[in-house]
Amino acid sequence: KAGVTQTPRYLIKTRGQQVTLSCSPISGHRSVSWYQQTPGQGLQFLFEYFSETQRNKGNFPGRFSGRQFSNSRSEMNVSTLELGDSALYLCASSSTGTSQYNEQFFGPGTRLTVL
Amino acid sequence: GDSVTQMEGPVTLSEEAFLTINCTYTATGYPSLFWYVQYPGEGLQLLLKATKADDKGSNKGFEATYRKETTSFHLEKGSVQVSDSAVYFCALSDNGGSNYKLTFGKGTLLTVNP
Repeated sequence: KAGVTQTPRYLIKTRGQQVTLSCSPISGHRSVSWYQQTPGQGLQFLFEYFSETQRNKGNFPGRFSGRQFSNSRSEMNVSTLELGDSALYLCASSSTGTSQYNEQFFGPGTRLTVL
Repeated sequence: GDSVTQMEGPVTLSEEAFLTINCTYTATGYPSLFWYVQYPGEGLQLLLKATKADDKGSNKGFEATYRKETTSFHLEKGSVQVSDSAVYFCALSDNGGSNYKLTFGKGTLLTVNP
């Protein structure tokens, strides 16, 4: 079974631009979560989607948004980029469809650098 | 809110040494607990997990026991190898309300020298 894939793996943008990152979950998984990893703040939860609906959201400004498509693929968008948005963005998928927690499987991440 | 505190690194050990990485947590409900490992340039991989008190998770020689009374989930390995060099993250998922996210500790960088 193929793992979680994220594209692109590396991105360089300048301040003020916007960026879209893509995540394809493991086949059959309907939940996709996004995390931001930085040296200073560590790993922080951005949001989670299940069946095209956002179920949970972390404490990030509205510049960070996401969506999920009917095939469970997900995208996240960051508008008006700031230097502090430079980070590794990780996507994780899970099969969860009930209240029981299911393991999350992580992709390799997209390394975003904002200049 | 939920939080995870793990020992600051970096930790440097010689091959075959004993490893302990401390992890304590704060949660409102009855969380599931996890250890994830991140190798250089890669995403996170689940190393082990425990979903209720007194459960012991184990994998690849690593172990951790869910201690509700001390709210801890310390990671141990009896004999580390150079290939264990990585960053280790302790994490929890609250099985109460919002069980769709993981709360992570800051991570501990482990370097094992031959």
